[in-house]
Amino acid sequence: KQEVTQIPAALSVPEGENLVLNCSFTDSAIYNLQWFRQDPGKGLTSLLLIQSSQREQTSGRLNASLDKSSGRSTLYIAASQPGDSATYLCAVPAGYTGNQFYFGTGTSLTVIP
Amino acid sequence: DVKVTQSSRYLVKRTGEKVFLECVQDMDHENMFWYRQDPGLGLRLIYFSYDVKMKEKGDIPEGYSVSREKKERFSLILESASTNQTSMYLCASSLASLAVAPTGEQYFGPGTRLTVT
Repeated sequence: KQEVTQIPAALSVPEGENLVLNCSFTDSAIYNLQWFRQDPGKGLTSLLLIQSSQREQTSGRLNASLDKSSGRSTLYIAASQPGDSATYLCAVPAGYTGNQFYFGTGTSLTVIP
Repeated sequence: DVKVTQSSRYLVKRTGEKVFLECVQDMDHENMFWYRQDPGLGLRLIYFSYDVKMKEKGDIPEGYSVSREKKERFSLILESASTNQTSMYLCASSLASLAVAPTGEQYFGPGTRLTVT
């Protein structure tokens, strides 16, 4: 069974700092990886979906990279803002069909003004 | 934009009650999912459905059942609610994967915070 790990569990940075969130997975035979943001008490918002054939995907100040062979993905946030404070989760599908997903437990980010 | 809605944001029920949580998506997605989210345990899949009337058990189906009579609607049923089912329940949907290029991007609803007393 796929295991997804996110370290650290919590991160606190001053506003304006660039930061990297990590996601690792045990089974490298994945077809894509998705990064989400979750605000307290709310649902998950999709940030980026990176296909296995891609190495990077960018959206605004966010950049996600994927290294299947090493079982790792990173989410880079440039010039962090207090509004970026949230929990960030990564997820990978189980198998080819993508009909089931495995989630990490997330990294709780606090950006201090 | 994909929209996934859930019938309630907050729900308080008593032990032994039958509870219905409903989820509706408006993007004609084949796949729909029910998760629960608990501190320290992350998201765990309860059930998913890949077509009308089709369902498969996830990692923690015990104490739950589901119904999918229409493509856009996926219901989670707690037959007899118990205190250990107090949790945040999240519904999601995604397109079915294609033979050539799997998609699988998931879209989530706002969640239902269920408290069973």
